[in-house]
Amino acid sequence: QVQLKESGPGLVAPSQSLSITCTVSGFSLTGYGVNWVRQPPGKGLEWLGMIWGDGNTDYHSALQSRLSISKDNSKSQVFLKMNSLQTDDTARYYCARDDVRRGMDYWGQGTSVTVSS
Amino acid sequence: DIQMTQSSSYLSVSLGGRVTITCKASDHINNWLAWYQQKPGNAPRLLISGATSLETGVPSRFSGSGSGKDYTLSITSLQTEDVATYYCQQYWSTPFTFGAGTKLELK
Repeated sequence: QVQLKESGPGLVAPSQSLSITCTVSGFSLTGYGVNWVRQPPGKGLEWLGMIWGDGNTDYHSALQSRLSISKDNSKSQVFLKMNSLQTDDTARYYCARDDVRRGMDYWGQGTSVTVSS
Repeated sequence: DIQMTQSSSYLSVSLGGRVTITCKASDHINNWLAWYQQKPGNAPRLLISGATSLETGVPSRFSGSGSGKDYTLSITSLQTEDVATYYCQQYWSTPFTFGAGTKLELK
């Protein structure tokens, strides 16, 4: 069955960078895109960006200078990197499979990231 | 960027009642509209795609409608397990965008 699982550092110091890995199973990364979505505590969902099956990427307009999404098809892993973290980047970060016609049909359970010194 | 506006942040609802949640896009999105349900502590769950297509396993009391810029999620005969926050999302063009969410609360 389709599964996605995020793994991240938990705690990041201000101004440092964040790296999160999304490991998928049950589908091929060449056939589906993967989105990154975050949710600050008590707030709504914010789309960060995605990597398509062909490796092309799209990013949130205001965050694209700080974001990088890449993947390793052979390892079924997608990577999110965000630079220059601040306290308002504290959130739960999700990866979600993209079905072109249906939206985000499968989600990981998310990984919590706190930005604090 | 296409902005998605959910007119109500909160809705007070009664068990067994009908609920309507609205979502308006700042530009035409040609029915490339998804609705998600999120319960506390859980990841969002895709309920409806293509504005009107119910995902497998989603109860038939949920339905979606709309076209152009204006879309609606309806729940009939509201059950306790439907109390959650609902988000619309456009996937017509990147950057994809979500509405701010509508939280259902029991009267």
